[in-house]
Amino acid sequence: QKEVEQNSGPLSVPEGAIASLNCTYSDRVSQSFFWYRQYSGKSPELIMSIYSNGDKEDGRFTAQLNKASQYVSLLIRDSQPSDSATYLCAVNDPNTGNQFYFGTGTSLTVIP
Amino acid sequence: SQTIHQWPATLVQPVGSPLSLECTVEGTSNPNLYWYRQAAGRGLQLLFYSVGIGQISSEVPQNLSASRPQDRQFILSSKKLLLSDSGFYLCAWSPLGDTQYFGPGTRLTVL
Repeated sequence: QKEVEQNSGPLSVPEGAIASLNCTYSDRVSQSFFWYRQYSGKSPELIMSIYSNGDKEDGRFTAQLNKASQYVSLLIRDSQPSDSATYLCAVNDPNTGNQFYFGTGTSLTVIP
Repeated sequence: SQTIHQWPATLVQPVGSPLSLECTVEGTSNPNLYWYRQAAGRGLQLLFYSVGIGQISSEVPQNLSASRPQDRQFILSSKKLLLSDSGFYLCAWSPLGDTQYFGPGTRLTVL
């Protein structure tokens, strides 16, 4: 059984701070990793994808991947109240038609 | 650009009634299509996925079924709804089986 684990939170940070969201996964064959943001009552929207070890930056977001440790994280710099949402980590399984396995999400609240 | 539609947006149905949810994708060909359910406060549960017309894989045994009658159309059905079928139903599409993009979702309440 493939597992994707996230701290459910809630995680609270003050406006302007760095929010750090973490995710671990159990399957070493996973090749693609994704972060989604889900506002309350809405569908998930893709923030970032990462495929190689190291960091990938997109605006205020940085994804970090360490395949040896089976760990992927998302950093949000200069957090804004509009970043308050649940963040879902997803990993693929290339052995099953690239099905995605999702964590249960981390709830983030940015306090003005 | 690609867009994904789902309808209806919300639905309230009595226990034992049938269900039909529809998902369509525009602006792409031969996408992989997925149905997920998200129960209140829970994670995403993959229900079905499809890599082509008429090709459906089921992940969880239940009273739901899926069909793909056209390349960009994916339908989720049930003959008799249960209370436990309540949730947020999400359709997603993927080009070449990689990144998945979600539709707006259908919120189903079974009473």
